[in-house]
Amino acid sequence: GQSLEQPSEVTAVEGAIVQINCTYQTSGFYGLSWYQQHDGGAPTFLSYNGLDGLEETGRFSSFLSRSDSYGYLLLQELQMKDSASYFCAPRNTGFQKLVFGTGTRLLVSP
Amino acid sequence: NAGVMQNPRHLVRRRGQEARLRCSPMKGHSHVYWYRQLPEEGLKFMVYLQKENIIDESGMPKERFSAEFPKEGPSILRIQQVVRGDSAAYFCASSPLGQGGRENTQYFGPGTRLTVL
Repeated sequence: GQSLEQPSEVTAVEGAIVQINCTYQTSGFYGLSWYQQHDGGAPTFLSYNGLDGLEETGRFSSFLSRSDSYGYLLLQELQMKDSASYFCAPRNTGFQKLVFGTGTRLLVSP
Repeated sequence: NAGVMQNPRHLVRRRGQEARLRCSPMKGHSHVYWYRQLPEEGLKFMVYLQKENIIDESGMPKERFSAEFPKEGPSILRIQQVVRGDSAAYFCASSPLGQGGRENTQYFGPGTRLTVL
């Protein structure tokens, strides 16, 4: 079977650093993608980890440990516009469809 | 460079009618994925298509739902005899390849919000 665990909600203040954890259980794991979705909007690609370690893209970084079936998204220098839902989405081998959980709602306050 | 395009953005249907949702992938992308999102939930995979081929339809309901990606034109998700439970946001994503790492990232369109009265 497949399962994904992320915190349902995280709150932080502007300028802070936030880490959103993701543990997954899926057959045929290929890599881990992260997407951001604002209310009423489309998922926007943030980052992808195919190998263990850290990927850095501007204020966002993502980490993967295959042996622990674990990853995280790190958001630095938080801004109000970062208030959104964040989804980790394992990609399966074979047909590479993305598996989404219910996501983490991030609320950034002044 | 236009992104993934979907239309209509909003669609209202009465129970029993048909809904047709269209998706044009990004330029250079030949792989299309459809996902459904119910309120307060994550996206659920429905179907993966390449031109003229359905590759994986493991997430598609067995009845009333069908998808195609013809040689010319957009991909179409068709829902026949809609019911209230079909009300959701339907997102299309496209990727340049069928396999791969970062280079096979899926990019999403703005979605079609279907409301069934």
